[in-house]
Amino acid sequence: GAVVSQHPSRVICKSGTSVKIECRSLDFQATTMFWYRQFPKQSLMLMATSNEGSKATYEQGVEKDKFLINHASLTLSTLTVTSAHPEDSSFYICSASSGGYGYTFGSGTRLTVV
Amino acid sequence: DAKTTQPNSMESNEEEPVHLPCNHSTISGTDYIHWYRQLPSQGPEYVIHGLTSNVNNRMASLAIAEDRKSSTLILHRATLRDAAVYYCAHIPGGGADGLTFGKGTHLIIQP
Repeated sequence: GAVVSQHPSRVICKSGTSVKIECRSLDFQATTMFWYRQFPKQSLMLMATSNEGSKATYEQGVEKDKFLINHASLTLSTLTVTSAHPEDSSFYICSASSGGYGYTFGSGTRLTVV
Repeated sequence: DAKTTQPNSMESNEEEPVHLPCNHSTISGTDYIHWYRQLPSQGPEYVIHGLTSNVNNRMASLAIAEDRKSSTLILHRATLRDAAVYYCAHIPGGGADGLTFGKGTHLIIQP
């Protein structure tokens, strides 16, 4: 089946630094990928839609200058959390549509900003 | 706002069937109904999806109401590994739109 690989699985960074999270579709091409954020004991919230070769579309309330998304190829999308602060600590998850099999999700990245 | 409504939690015994309901009264005629489940600290896992007819796969069955405003995910014989948070969502086909998740149902399986 379709596989989405997400790295790193865990990252701890200092406040004010930037962190990059990678999301790769391993056995299929994904023209569109999605980024979600999940706080403890809450549901996933869609942050942005990443389109290969074009600008990402952000959901209302998500700062596009803080959460930079790059989708430079059909198999790779990256999310960079810039100038991270403790309130950005969360579980970030990417996903992609794999044709007729619904959506495939990455394993998630636990970001802790100290 | 979430477009789906699910019970916060449900409990079942191992090896018994489980019926997880979802209300999606605002669904449009072309939206697909999706179900995913999530274990702690993991990304969601695809379970099943359908449009109008009931669907079966190796994991579960999906029963869709005739008016499509509700659906039920059926686990025919629950195991301890089925304990998870189950989310339903509805979304246009094509894969161009992200999923909007509700709060989901926390399924507890008793041995």
